[in-house]
Amino acid sequence: NAGVTQTPKFRILKIGQSMTLQCAQDMNHNYMYWYRQDPGMGLKLIYYSVGAGITDKGEVPNGYNVSRSTTEDFPLRLELAAPSQTSVYFCASSSGGGKVTEAFFGQGTRLTVV
Amino acid sequence: AQSVTQLGSHVSVSEGALVLLRCNYSSSVPPYLFWYVQYPNQGLQLLLKYTSAATLVKGINGFEAEFKKSETSFHLTKPSAHMSDAAEYFCAVSEGSNFGNEKLTFGTGTRLTIIP
Repeated sequence: NAGVTQTPKFRILKIGQSMTLQCAQDMNHNYMYWYRQDPGMGLKLIYYSVGAGITDKGEVPNGYNVSRSTTEDFPLRLELAAPSQTSVYFCASSSGGGKVTEAFFGQGTRLTVV
Repeated sequence: AQSVTQLGSHVSVSEGALVLLRCNYSSSVPPYLFWYVQYPNQGLQLLLKYTSAATLVKGINGFEAEFKKSETSFHLTKPSAHMSDAAEYFCAVSEGSNFGNEKLTFGTGTRLTIIP
């Protein structure tokens, strides 16, 4: 059981470039999330989705976009990379559905914008 | 709105000593509380969770946490530290999907160092 899979693991971008961080889960979870982790700041929610076709902003959405066309996939798009987007990005999923569930996390994508 | 405060960004304990990592929360509804652990260059792994059943929750690797409503706390403890416990620990709160908010809000983390 692969769980939550993120690709790539590492990436260096130049200012102004764009890229998509991929996230896939094989647990048939309804809820999916994107967090960024900065030193000393914990994890901040960027976007989340409660099901295919439904997405919503989290705490720090500026500079990012998401889509959720299938239950399994939740890609995160950076359109014009900026140094402030240098961070470690984590995708997570949970089953939701009216009961307390835990979030399962991917291994992370370390992004550097230069 | 929900929030989490973790006191102490760095904690050092000797191998075999008691581990105590502090977490206080704020929530407008009865919360669900979690402790996650992150090893270097890894994702987050669930240690334990509080779901309004027993107030003393036991997790993996010998960790446990006690929910104290009067103190709005959910501190993490382990009686005897092991070298393999060195990691970063995150406390998180959720209001649960019953309230339309299963999103996790994380604390800023506590890095635990074990002294041989």
